[in-house]
Amino acid sequence: KNEVEQSPQNLTAQEGEFITINCSYSVGISALHWLQQHPGGGIVSLFMLSSGKKKHGRLIATINIQEKHSSLHITASHPRDSAVYICAVKQGAQKLVFGQGTRLTINP
Amino acid sequence: DTAVSQTPKYLVTQMGNDKSIKCEQNLGHDTMYWYKQDSKKFLKIMFSYNNKELIINETVPNRFSPKSPDKAHLNLHINSLELGDSAVYFCASSQDWGGTEKLFFGSGTQLSVL
Repeated sequence: KNEVEQSPQNLTAQEGEFITINCSYSVGISALHWLQQHPGGGIVSLFMLSSGKKKHGRLIATINIQEKHSSLHITASHPRDSAVYICAVKQGAQKLVFGQGTRLTINP
Repeated sequence: DTAVSQTPKYLVTQMGNDKSIKCEQNLGHDTMYWYKQDSKKFLKIMFSYNNKELIINETVPNRFSPKSPDKAHLNLHINSLELGDSAVYFCASSQDWGGTEKLFFGSGTQLSVL
């Protein structure tokens, strides 16, 4: 079992829908990253958080340290949001452990 | 002006060859990384350097040798390439080595070993 589990693995939705992607981890961490990998392969860092909630445009990331769980929400989803979203947690000295990714497809 | 640039974008080579992938960042960051993304799209850390000093070496075969001539560059040299080395390799950087800063990724190098 991977130390970082994401759900769902695949998600297809219609444009405008509210999207939630979940990330659960099994070890103590000091930080959690959400990354976006575009269909072309490039990876962009969306958020780094260690507590609470962060918002950037239509994206919101939350983390519950006690429950070892984080969620990434997308409001008013758009086809350009179609990508793989990857959760990564920081353990120990600098090492990041990655989830398997959630492939999101937003249909017009 | 690309923040983290790696070359080449595609690399096709024969088994047994030696190849290098170059990475440069112009963000003034102290820490650079190499990640490997396998066919199942899992990302795994390979190496991390902070100010030219090796911080993390994640059980990578010693055929892989990173070289950091200065803190803006981290190159990856691979000797005696094997079929299993085929993957996408990403270079990344962050402000410090604590892992609590945002990561900036290069566009990836797709390595195909035939």
